[in-house]
Amino acid sequence: QSALTQPPSASGSPGQSVTISCTGTSSDVGAYNSVSWYQQHPGKAPKLMIYEVSKRPSGVPDRFSGSKSGNTASLTVSGLQAEDEADYYCSSYAGSNSLVFGGGTKLTVL
Amino acid sequence: EVQLVQSGAEVKQPGESLKISCKGSGYSFTIYRIGWVRQMPGKGLEWMGIIYPGDSDTRYSPSFQGQVTISADKSTSTAYLQWSSLKASDTAMYYCARQGFGELFDYWGQGTLVTVSS
Repeated sequence: QSALTQPPSASGSPGQSVTISCTGTSSDVGAYNSVSWYQQHPGKAPKLMIYEVSKRPSGVPDRFSGSKSGNTASLTVSGLQAEDEADYYCSSYAGSNSLVFGGGTKLTVL
Repeated sequence: EVQLVQSGAEVKQPGESLKISCKGSGYSFTIYRIGWVRQMPGKGLEWMGIIYPGDSDTRYSPSFQGQVTISADKSTSTAYLQWSSLKASDTAMYYCARQGFGELFDYWGQGTLVTVSS
């Protein structure tokens, strides 16, 4: 059960779009439509931003979107805002009631 | 309002035991799984395991199997994470989170910082 692979960092200017990838295997990301994305600001608990690949919980701006192709899931943040600067983590169901997280991506708004 | 409230920060010595808690409120505690997530200083999130309070069915990540014990008390709507012999490498922030319908954590506790140092 290895961690999902995310780029350590990503960046974009205000108003731009940025996409963060999350690569797993055919046993986790590729096997289930159970990919979630979490946002974590420094010193805070994570917050659910996307679930089941592309669904947004109530209250999450539609600037956040998710997708998946094969063993790789992606989070896209459109119209970047200063408050989007945070760490982002993907997670996937890995079978047998287990989950696996990605290593995290630090998003910087330039 | 759904809330998960965790116990306070702990400072322990290597070899000591510890049990931290996570009290759920604002929802039916027995029908949602509670998971535990470790975050070591400056590092990412790690899934430790999960418990279904309805019947105490528990699953552990292979990385944490045998290292910690997850339990729950339905009568007090509280989940627990415990260690029998702490190591310095257990120093981390520990979060509990409610697993919503599906494989997602929709509500999180505020975290419990555990520091293990001699």
